[in-house]
Amino acid sequence: AQSVTQLDSQVPVFEEAPVELRCNYSSSVSVYLFWYVQYPNQGLQLLLKYLSGSTLVKGINGFEAEFNKSQTSFHLRKPSVHISDTAEYFCAVSDSLRGAQKLVFGQGTRLTINP
Amino acid sequence: NAGVTQTPKFRVLKTGQSMTLLCAQDMNHEYMYWYRQDPGMGLRLIHYSVGEGTTAKGEVPDGYNVSRLKKQNFLLGLESAAPSQTSVYFCASRPLAGTSREQYFGPGTRLTVT
Repeated sequence: AQSVTQLDSQVPVFEEAPVELRCNYSSSVSVYLFWYVQYPNQGLQLLLKYLSGSTLVKGINGFEAEFNKSQTSFHLRKPSVHISDTAEYFCAVSDSLRGAQKLVFGQGTRLTINP
Repeated sequence: NAGVTQTPKFRVLKTGQSMTLLCAQDMNHEYMYWYRQDPGMGLRLIHYSVGEGTTAKGEVPDGYNVSRLKKQNFLLGLESAAPSQTSVYFCASRPLAGTSREQYFGPGTRLTVT
């Protein structure tokens, strides 16, 4: 079984500042890793994913994340945030085996951008 | 393509009432999932389906039943609603083939049980 811990429930930052949202996972098998974003009163939208290959993954809206297998982490970063990045961000993990590849989500991190 | 749609968007139930939430996808996806979202707990998997006519339990299945009679539809039923089932419910789908591994989410159903 997999589990995910998002280390910060809320992260306030100023506009144009850099941000890092932290995510750690545990699993006894190889995993796929995802970051989803949820804007207010909307569903979830995929930001980026790590399946294999390069450990630095680039996603939409200028976000990137780095898979670190030794530290079992998949932190999300953006060098300069905008007001429009205000949302809740979810880290998720699934096993990489054949089958349903059920997602296990972290608790979420609410990113608030202050002008 | 409409993607993943959910009906209804909002619902208020009294304790003990029943209801069915409908999820529909027009992407010919094999896999479909039902999640619930509660504050501070992220999303938790209720039930899922790997194809028409098949269903399986997820992490929090108690109090819910599901059916997948048609490939494009996945129904979530509450036979006797309880206040603990107040939540936002999301449906998702994913194709069997391909390398994306992405799940596509619907807009959600906000359910309040009083």
